[in-house]
Amino acid sequence: NAGVTQTPKFQVLKTGQSMTLQCAQDMNHNSMYWYRQDPGMGLRLIYYSASEGTTDKGEVPNGYNVSRLNKREFSLRLESAAPSQTSVYFCASRSKGAGTGELFFGEGSRLTVL
Amino acid sequence: SQQGEEDPQALSIQEGENATMNCSYKTSINNLQWYRQNSGRGLVHLILIRSNEREKHSGRLRVTLDTSKKSSSLLITASRAADTASYFCATDGTGGGNKLTFGTGTQLKVEL
Repeated sequence: NAGVTQTPKFQVLKTGQSMTLQCAQDMNHNSMYWYRQDPGMGLRLIYYSASEGTTDKGEVPNGYNVSRLNKREFSLRLESAAPSQTSVYFCASRSKGAGTGELFFGEGSRLTVL
Repeated sequence: SQQGEEDPQALSIQEGENATMNCSYKTSINNLQWYRQNSGRGLVHLILIRSNEREKHSGRLRVTLDTSKKSSSLLITASRAADTASYFCATDGTGGGNKLTFGTGTQLKVEL
C-alpha cells in the first residue's frame, strides 16, 4: 500500500525560481493538507483541502498556492522561492470530516532555496 | 501561533525507564492526537483521545487528557531504544475548519 506519496523528495532552488510539490493518496481520503516543518517550530499548516473542490489557508500561506486536482492529488506551488521557504514539506490526508480522524503523512520533501 | 506546546523539549532516559511528555493547548478541542516521527521520516499516528475521554491506553502507551487544564500527557512505559524519536501532540479544534494544529514536539532519546 503506497499511502501518501510526495515528489520530489529533495530539491534545491535558486531564489526566484518556481516549483510544484506533488502529493497523491490512494486511500480515498476526502481531506488533504500541506505542512512545513522547521527546526524548533513543529509543523505549521500551509494550506488544506477539506474535500475535493475546496481549499483553505492555514497558518502560513504566504508565498504558496495549492491545487486540489482531484480527490487523490493535492499540489503545492512556490511561485517565486525565497530562502525563508527552505524547509521540509509534508503532505497528509485523512478520511473523515472535522473533529475526527488521524492524519496519514508522506515521507516529506526537503527543499533548499539558495 | 502554535496550538500545542510540548514539555520537555528534549528527554533522555535509560532503556526500561518510563518516559512522560506533556502537551498544553489553548482552545476547545474535539480530540487530541499524538504522533511519532523518526529522524528524517514522516509522522506516524500513535493514539487519539476524544474530549469526553480522560485516559486511553494502547500497548505501552498511556494518554491522559484534562480539558479543564487544557493539557495532555503521553506516557511510554518500559521504553526501548527503538522508541527514540520526536513526539508531537496535535489538536482537532472545535472552531471548525477540519485541521489539526501541531505542537513543537519532544525529542526522546532512549539509551541502552
